Amino acid sequence: DSGVTQTPKHLITATGQRVTLRCSPRSGDLSVYWYQQSLDQGLQFLIQYYNGEERAKGNILERFSAQQFPDLHSELNLSSLELGDSALYFCASSENSGSGYEQYFGPGTRLTVT
Amino acid sequence: ILNVEQSPQSLHVQEGDSTNFTCSFPSSNFYALHWYRWETAKSPEALFVMTLNGDEKKKGRISATLNTKEGYSYLYIKGSQPEDSATYLCARDNYGQNFVFGPGTRLSVLP
Repeated sequence: DSGVTQTPKHLITATGQRVTLRCSPRSGDLSVYWYQQSLDQGLQFLIQYYNGEERAKGNILERFSAQQFPDLHSELNLSSLELGDSALYFCASSENSGSGYEQYFGPGTRLTVT
Repeated sequence: ILNVEQSPQSLHVQEGDSTNFTCSFPSSNFYALHWYRWETAKSPEALFVMTLNGDEKKKGRISATLNTKEGYSYLYIKGSQPEDSATYLCARDNYGQNFVFGPGTRLSVLP
């Protein structure tokens, strides 16, 4: 158990809908990262937050957005869902935002868009 | 996006064998390289974070080396055990920009 929690564990929704995925980092970790793993692709970095501010951005679609709240939990919002958004979404946290810090992954949220 | 490559794609070894695999990455503007171990149906688990050229890190039977000038890292497993079966991922940390993961090396250790 990494200490990172993600809810829900599974989510099934229809195309065009909007969902929110939630992540609570390990106690004391200030940085949160979001990743997507689709069936035919490897792990793709989406976005990073550090202490409430966006720090780095990867291949995140405009339909997706995220934020980190004052209590350091983070939410990833996915809207106008398409079939291709079906994937496993991981959240990870680290102590700080610089290079050299290990990232601890949560169990993931499996999103199925039908 | 700066590509990260890993080889081999998959590997089968006998219990007790030692093995190694490679992560290749662009060497310019290097900040850090991460290694992860990812078992099926679980989430990635951090093994090492390496930042300096010539770094060598070790955790039990697993060790890693880093060459930032030529852009590669090796992961070694000594005396492989069935519980070492997993996908091993490396990721280049492009500080302030993104993290780029390699496709992974899938290791199967046969008893």
